[in-house]
Amino acid sequence: EAQVTQNPRYLITVTGKKLTVTCSQNMNHEYMSWYRQDPGLGLRQIYYSMNVEVTDKGDVPEGYKVSRKEKRNFPLILESPSPNQTSLYFCASADRENSPLHFGNGTRLTVT
Amino acid sequence: AQSVTQPDIHITVSEGASLELRCNYSYGATPYLFWYVQSPGQGLQLLLKYFSGDTLVQGIKGFEAEFKRSQSSFNLRKPSVHWSDAAEYFCAFLSGAGSYQLTFGKGTKLSVIP
Repeated sequence: EAQVTQNPRYLITVTGKKLTVTCSQNMNHEYMSWYRQDPGLGLRQIYYSMNVEVTDKGDVPEGYKVSRKEKRNFPLILESPSPNQTSLYFCASADRENSPLHFGNGTRLTVT
Repeated sequence: AQSVTQPDIHITVSEGASLELRCNYSYGATPYLFWYVQSPGQGLQLLLKYFSGDTLVQGIKGFEAEFKRSQSSFNLRKPSVHWSDAAEYFCAFLSGAGSYQLTFGKGTKLSVIP
């Protein structure tokens, strides 16, 4: 089944403790992206990647890192999480430009 | 600046009633437009898209949307709402050919009264 898989689905952590949210897609898509969703703000893009070893900042990149060492994986790294990064995070992928995004089921992160 | 606006934060309709969710965009050319739906605890699922051609597009789950260039709008409609349609709906657009960058509206939450 074609899908975007995020792990974990839920994560509670404390300020400053490094964490990684994994994202994997099995559709051989070139493009991958991370979004955060907050009430009243919709979805905002954090980082995106056009292909392996090619990443770029989205609208709200501060406090986040990403890597794209393989085509299928695009992990989101929070080196020193803070409470304002408490949010619902989505990974998405697309096979070519102008194509609709395929979304994962989300990771709900709480930073205390 | 490029943007997409969903004027209604929350809409409540009775089951069986018709539905229209509004979406307006701000862009100098014709964007590529999408509607996504997010059910509670789920990711976003594509309902329909408009790239060019016929301005009335059909999507999944009985939804349709109409692109109106003169009004910079891409409103989503459904003739008869089902209780399972209760969800949050997002309008989004790509800024044109060769783009991956999707800009989302802030969403409209739909509640359905049985």
